[in-house]
Parts: sequence; C-alpha cells; structure tokens
Amino acid sequence: IQMTQSPSTLSASVGDTVTITCRASQSISTWLAWYQQKPGQAPKGLIYKASNLESGVPSRFSGSGSGTEFTLTISSLQPDDFATYYCQEYLSYSWTFGQGTKVEIK
Amino acid sequence: QVQLVESGGGVVQPGGSLRLSCAASGFIFSNYGMHWVRQAPGKGPEWVTFIRVDGRNKYYVDSVKGRFTISRDNSRNTVYLQMNSLRIEDSGVYYCVLGVDNWGQGTLVTVSS
Repeated sequence: IQMTQSPSTLSASVGDTVTITCRASQSISTWLAWYQQKPGQAPKGLIYKASNLESGVPSRFSGSGSGTEFTLTISSLQPDDFATYYCQEYLSYSWTFGQGTKVEIK
Repeated sequence: QVQLVESGGGVVQPGGSLRLSCAASGFIFSNYGMHWVRQAPGKGPEWVTFIRVDGRNKYYVDSVKGRFTISRDNSRNTVYLQMNSLRIEDSGVYYCVLGVDNWGQGTLVTVSS
C-alpha cells in the first residue's frame, strides 16, 4: 500500500485552520492514524481509526475519511502545533507512512 | 502506563552488526505483537518488522529480509532486533512500537566508515 500525503510543506499563521490530505493506493477502510513529530522526538499519536482523538489531544485536531481519502484538520492553529505531521495506514501487520507535511510559521 | 525503552544503538561500520533491545512495561507483554519502525535523518518513518505474540510469525520489510532478525523473550518482557550486514542506508533512529500509539524514545544507529 502506498500513502500519498499533501502538501509536503504548509505555511500558516496562528489562528488559521489547516488541512492535510492523505491518499491510500487501495482501500484501507478506516485503518489510518495521524502523528505529530517535533525535532528530536518520537512521533506522537493524534488520531486513530481515521477520526478518533487520542487521549489528551486537543479538540482542535480532527480527522475524517475512509477508504482511500483522509484528512487531518487543525482548527485555530496554536504555536505548539508547528511541527511535521504523518499519516500511517495499519490495515495489516506491515505499515506504510506518508511522506510528511511540515507546518511552518508564515 | 506503557513504557518502551530501546537500547543498543551505536556507530558501526558497513557490514557490521548490532543488536537492539526494547524493554517493555506497563502492559501484559506476552499478549501483544511488537513492531520496530525506523526513521532515517530528515525522512519519514519506515516500518521494519513485526513479531506476533508467540514469536513464531515474523514479518520484514523487503530491504532487511535475510539481514535482520526480530525475536522476543516474554519472560523478560523484551523484544530484540538483530541487525547483520548493516548498510549505510540502515542508519537512523530505531523505535520499538506497540499498537498504533505507543512508541519508545528510539535508539540511534549510525552505519559509517
């Protein structure tokens, strides 16, 4: 399974709403996760099963989609949200990650 | 709470070997399959290998088949990754992962002459 994530870079301001898209090369139902990663840290889970918020993750993060098209939306971007985001499919024991989206300060 | 602590990374020459360990706590280790995921500098994560609960069924990404071996010791709550015939492109941070959202802090592997 191939995962195509876009855009690769996104420039935004605090308070903006941003959307990141992930496309799977075949249907993965809702077996999709979203991660946030900051330099020097392990990826941190934000969303699992396409639309479920991990415990402790702010409600400004939301996920949607099923099959092959998925989106991560961050409403009212906060300073702590500037980071790199990855999607990941986990339909089976072998996983595939998207190439990442770096959210930068405009 | 779940804790995964990797160790064993370091600097090794091409063709060399390393053995990574991941000590798990905070959950019933013998009930869960375990993954290793790696991340090269400046790149996205890449799934490497998975081992099922009984240790018999193991799966690998094509690029490491025949060179890497995953194993586990349920009595020690530890999963291992034996890496042989290392290549420069194997360099990166190696993470032990449980499920979708329990990652260790990672251990750095550098393959360089």
